[in-house]
Order: sequence, then C-alpha cells, then structure tokens
Amino acid sequence: QVQLVQSGSELKKPGASVKVSCKASGYTLSASAMNWVRQAPGQGLEWMGWINTKNGNPMYARGFTGRFVFSLDTSVSTAYLQINSLQAEDTAVYYCARDLSSIGQIYLDSWGQGTLVTVSS
Amino acid sequence: QSALTQPASVSGSPGQSITIACTGTSSDIGSYNDVSWYQHHPGRAPRLIIYDVSSRPSGVPDRFSGSKSGNTASLTISGLQADDEADYYCSSYISVSVFAGGTKLTVL
Repeated sequence: QVQLVQSGSELKKPGASVKVSCKASGYTLSASAMNWVRQAPGQGLEWMGWINTKNGNPMYARGFTGRFVFSLDTSVSTAYLQINSLQAEDTAVYYCARDLSSIGQIYLDSWGQGTLVTVSS
Repeated sequence: QSALTQPASVSGSPGQSITIACTGTSSDIGSYNDVSWYQHHPGRAPRLIIYDVSSRPSGVPDRFSGSKSGNTASLTISGLQADDEADYYCSSYISVSVFAGGTKLTVL
C-alpha cells in the first residue's frame, strides 16, 4: 500500500537549517506530485507548495519563497523539505502528501505522519 | 482572490447530521468543481474524505457527503459518531490559500 514515512522530530536553534525527508513506498514517486503542508501550533493546515516529481520543478506558495526548498532523490524514492535561516515562527508540524490528481488539483490522498520542527534557542 | 472561509466550530449529538459550509467566491468555488475536504484528528495525519466536490476516496463511509451551491461548498456528516470529532478543512487549489481555516467538530 502507499506509504509516506517522514524523518523524526528536530530541535534547532534560530538561524540553523533543517532538512525533512519523506520516503515514498508502494508506488512510483514520479507518478504523483508531492506537496508540503505546515501546521503551526494551534493553527490550521497551510499549503506550502509542491514539487513536480517528474522533472523536479518546485512551486512555492505565497509566504514560502526564499528560505524553503523542495527537492527529490528519485533513486531512493524520497522527497525533501529544507528550511534555511530557521525562525521561531517556523515551529510547526510539517507534512508531505501525495496528490491524487494528475492535473494539479491538490487532492492529497496519502500523507506522511508529520515531522515536528521546533525552533528554540 | 480571497481565502475560503468556514465556521470555527460546529457540534452535534451522536446519530444526528451536521453540515459544514465553506464559502468562496465566484472565482474559485463558484466557477470550479475542484473542492476537497479533509478530516484531521489532532496528532494524526489528515485524511482526504471528499474530492471533486462530492466524490469519496475508497474506504470513506457514505456518511460523508459533499455538495456545492453557488460560491459555497458543503460537507455533510450523517449518523454522527464519536470518532467523527475532529477538525475538518475544505480546500480548493484555485483559492489563494488552498486550505480554509478549518472547523472543529464536537460530538456532544
């Protein structure tokens, strides 16, 4: 069955970087776009953007440009989210999620378990 | 473009039906059928329960149904169960924010 397994929780200091991994199994990574979603403490779901898993092109939502980087390693069926220059406001649970739609409708039918990133000095 | 809006909370008793409305604009929900709904239990991964306004992924009970009228999409849950208590989000990729703010469903 389709499974997305994310890396474990991270505790980072302000200004540092973090790289969250999302390993896909049960399907071919390049068959579906991979999306990233954030949930800050006490807040709702926030769509961060997606990466085209056929050509590696990322698309970032408003508010997630500059410090956020989506990437892939198709040899290990893994997507990555890197956040640079971490700020306290980046403290959140980050989810990867597969798009069921083949035309970018953002129907996220499989989700990773979430990775808690805590930014604190 | 404006963000999608949902009520912050709704409640219902076991066995009852509830409806959560998601209001958009003529530029998103009003013009396109690309509406989805997610169920999110705290501490767990969100779950897609409705897509294309009213389609259910495999494994989602038919107690969950979706509809649309004008600029408003709706999620109806019939035969409420205790485990339905969760946060529910509507979504449209056309919308500037993709996800609405979420509705907390309390089963009394």
